[in-house]
Amino acid sequence: AQSVAQPEDQVNVAEGNPLTVKCTYSVSGNPYLFWYVQYPNRGLQFLLKYITGDNLVKGSYGFEAEFNKSQTSFHLKKPSALVSDSALYFCAVRDALDGGATNKLIFGTGTLLAVQP
Amino acid sequence: NAGVTQTPKFRILKIGQSMTLQCTQDMNHNYMYWYRQDPGMGLKLIYYSVGAGITDKGEVPNGYNVSRSTTEDFPLRLELAAPSQTSVYFCASSYPEGGSAYNEQFFGPGTRLTVL
Repeated sequence: AQSVAQPEDQVNVAEGNPLTVKCTYSVSGNPYLFWYVQYPNRGLQFLLKYITGDNLVKGSYGFEAEFNKSQTSFHLKKPSALVSDSALYFCAVRDALDGGATNKLIFGTGTLLAVQP
Repeated sequence: NAGVTQTPKFRILKIGQSMTLQCTQDMNHNYMYWYRQDPGMGLKLIYYSVGAGITDKGEVPNGYNVSRSTTEDFPLRLELAAPSQTSVYFCASSYPEGGSAYNEQFFGPGTRLTVL
């Protein structure tokens, strides 16, 4: 079965420290992976995606993510956290059962990132 | 571009009432989606559409209906509201590139629905 797991409901980090939000996936074939961020009472905003190529993907607001095929992981990272990064983060993988014909996404349950000043 | 817009922002319904959640996008995207978001559950796909006149069920379609008469609009209909439909509803859109769908989805701001 296709799935996305975000093992941490919440990640706490001090401002200025590096942050990591974990994501693992299960899907057949080559995965197409995405990270989104949701600020309170807002819709989801796209951060970055991995389709092919370099395993380290850079995205918006200084975020990056590392694709690791052997560990089926796609962890989100940032070298220095800001208080304004506090939000809910979702990892998603494209549904592969229809060959990607519909671009449907399967989402993880989300990780709340709390950055303390 | 306004992107993806949703109305209303908030709504309270009584059990058994019906309503339509509106979604419009101005990016000429072929693909559109409806999700519901419940605490700790992530986003679940309700219905999706790959073009005008074409719709299909997602993971949690029961109690909902959709139509897609134009590229821009993708309304979601609740016929007999139930407390289990209390949720935040998001509409999203995307477009295929080069014959395959590699692109991210763009989300609207959401509709917060409470059924009492």
